[in-house]
Amino acid sequence: AQSVSQHNHHVILSEAASLELGCNYSYGGTVNLFWYVQYPGQHLQLLLKYFSGDPLVKGIKGFEAEFIKSKFSFNLRKPSVQWSDTAEYFCAVNANDYKLSFGAGTTVTVRA
Amino acid sequence: GAGVSQSPSNKVTEKGKDVELRCDPISGHTALYWYRQSLGQGLEFLIYFQGNSAPDKSGLPSDRFSAERTGGSVSTLTIQRTQQEDSAVYLCASSFGHNYNEQFFGPGTRLTVL
Repeated sequence: AQSVSQHNHHVILSEAASLELGCNYSYGGTVNLFWYVQYPGQHLQLLLKYFSGDPLVKGIKGFEAEFIKSKFSFNLRKPSVQWSDTAEYFCAVNANDYKLSFGAGTTVTVRA
Repeated sequence: GAGVSQSPSNKVTEKGKDVELRCDPISGHTALYWYRQSLGQGLEFLIYFQGNSAPDKSGLPSDRFSAERTGGSVSTLTIQRTQQEDSAVYLCASSFGHNYNEQFFGPGTRLTVL
């Protein structure tokens, strides 16, 4: 079974700072990769996903992620965060089946 | 249209009692999933339904947990003889098919076992 590691438990930064959240997975085969976000009091929602093709994926709200197969990584980035980006971010993987394996999540707090 | 809905939003129960959690998936979605999110942990897969196929129950943590999906739509997750370690947020998701399709999550049911 695949496992997913998110390196940061809690990240605190100021508005306009750049954000990068690390995600590594352990599975040697083909994977589908996702970043989900949960804003305070809201449902989990999909930020972006990678299935195949261009390893640099752009998602909603200015987020992007890069799949580096050799490093088993799928890091999330945003060049300039806003206060409204305060949320919990989850990396998830499925290995061509239906089960999503999630990381433990990273809480991002953006200070105005 | 409406998203995935779950009820109740919060449930407080006493140890040893049975609880039922309900999920209404998005209309037309054939796949339904249950996950559990315990404090400080990521989401843990519990069970998966796809159409009329036999469900994948491989993630259920014990035989106290069961789930059914009636008519290919609404699903109920039942926990018998609840224990304190069952306290968690139980999330339901649905998708149109599986594999390459986005799973849409409901708001969850927060279960507290006293």
